[in-house]
Amino acid sequence: QSVLTQPPSASGTPGQRVTISCSGSSSNIGSNTVSWYQQLPGTAPKLLIYSSHQRPSGVPDRFSVSKSGTSASLAISGLQSEDEADYYCAAWDDSLNGWVFGGGTKLTVL
Amino acid sequence: QVQLVESGGGVVQPGKSLRLSCEASGFTFSIYAMHWVRQAPGKGLEWVAGISFDGGDKDSAESVKGRFTISRDNSKNTLYLQMNSLRAEDTAVYYCAKDFSSSGNYYFDYWGQGTLVTVSS
Repeated sequence: QSVLTQPPSASGTPGQRVTISCSGSSSNIGSNTVSWYQQLPGTAPKLLIYSSHQRPSGVPDRFSVSKSGTSASLAISGLQSEDEADYYCAAWDDSLNGWVFGGGTKLTVL
Repeated sequence: QVQLVESGGGVVQPGKSLRLSCEASGFTFSIYAMHWVRQAPGKGLEWVAGISFDGGDKDSAESVKGRFTISRDNSKNTLYLQMNSLRAEDTAVYYCAKDFSSSGNYYFDYWGQGTLVTVSS
């Protein structure tokens, strides 16, 4: 059971907008930066987006995040086939004094 | 460019020990915190341990406390994970990850390719 809660799966057709939620608590999402990671099949995770709108170079602006209280969401607009991957949210937890991850969401592009 | 290369994985019997290494290049290793994150087969990501830029502050997950020790050698640009009393549930791909900050609680901006540890008799 992960400390952060994500839906196990999500799907959409090319061009659609998809959102993935991440629910936590006051000790993690509620008080720290949430980051999101993309893991393409058979590869290592990579940083996708952090804070409210910071993306590493090379990550398209089709990816965006929002945060409200103890929940966060990742939105992907203009869905493309290459977006098919597992997505994880993460945050530092002040109570556990360690990092916590969501269980991951498998995104399928139909 | 930033590179993180893990090594040291393999098959080990339950109760035995193993030491993983992560050689870093392409950035000033000594000013950033570092982490180990693992992924059991078919499962999600789990943070294992983190260490501050100078090694003065270390944290680890409850699941490995007392068994795993993270350390670093800034003169060799290398991160280590000493794993003792290994259990079947420690079987996973172990990733080395760089933190954006020196303290270790910001985000993981670069990841290695991972090294597989299999604990089996």
